[in-house]
Amino acid sequence: DIVMTQGALPNPVPSGESASITCQSSKSLLHSNGKTYLNWYLQRPGQSPQLLIYWMSTRASGVSDRFSGSGSGTDFTLKISSVEAEDVGVYYCQQFLEYPRTFGGGTKLELK
Amino acid sequence: EVQLVESGGGLVQPKGSLKLSCAASGFDFNSYGMSWVRQAPGKGLDLVADISSKSYNYATYYADSVKDRFTISRDDSQSMVYLQMDNLKTEDTALYYCTVNSGGYWGQGVMVTVSS
Repeated sequence: DIVMTQGALPNPVPSGESASITCQSSKSLLHSNGKTYLNWYLQRPGQSPQLLIYWMSTRASGVSDRFSGSGSGTDFTLKISSVEAEDVGVYYCQQFLEYPRTFGGGTKLELK
Repeated sequence: EVQLVESGGGLVQPKGSLKLSCAASGFDFNSYGMSWVRQAPGKGLDLVADISSKSYNYATYYADSVKDRFTISRDDSQSMVYLQMDNLKTEDTALYYCTVNSGGYWGQGVMVTVSS
């Protein structure tokens, strides 16, 4: 199985500052079609996960442009510019290159 | 508006059974694979089962932890997806989410508690 490992944030993050969340996969998620099969989600407290980014860097519909995804085949970063109160929650990366479509363990963002 | 509405959860004893249902609307259900993802209390997300669309012959996937105990199915005529859970174990206790398998849409989740 592909193992997804997420880094921690130096919580709490001051409001208005930027935050970067890292995710590493045990296998390259770069498909032969040139797309990288990585999703990012935010799960706000008490809510279902919400898709933020797919194919490593494409923002989902309605997602603020304060969120951006980048990376290589195995190392990925979700950057949140100017953190706001609504960004609080747990962030998950997920690979969907192959089954099982494994998730990272989650990274909690708290606001100062 | 896309909606995924789960039902069928509850409290069940170990070795018991439950069947979860998910009613989908607001998108072309027939064209998408569907998944069940669970989240144990205070824990992360785990894919439990997945079923592809008719175009991919309704192929299924199961996590090792539920293989031979859970069965995923779908009814395209009713835009429904199901998860039959048999021989339940205490470690199956979790919030179960119905999702479009691309990750774009999630239901609100249904709680399953396995306890004597």
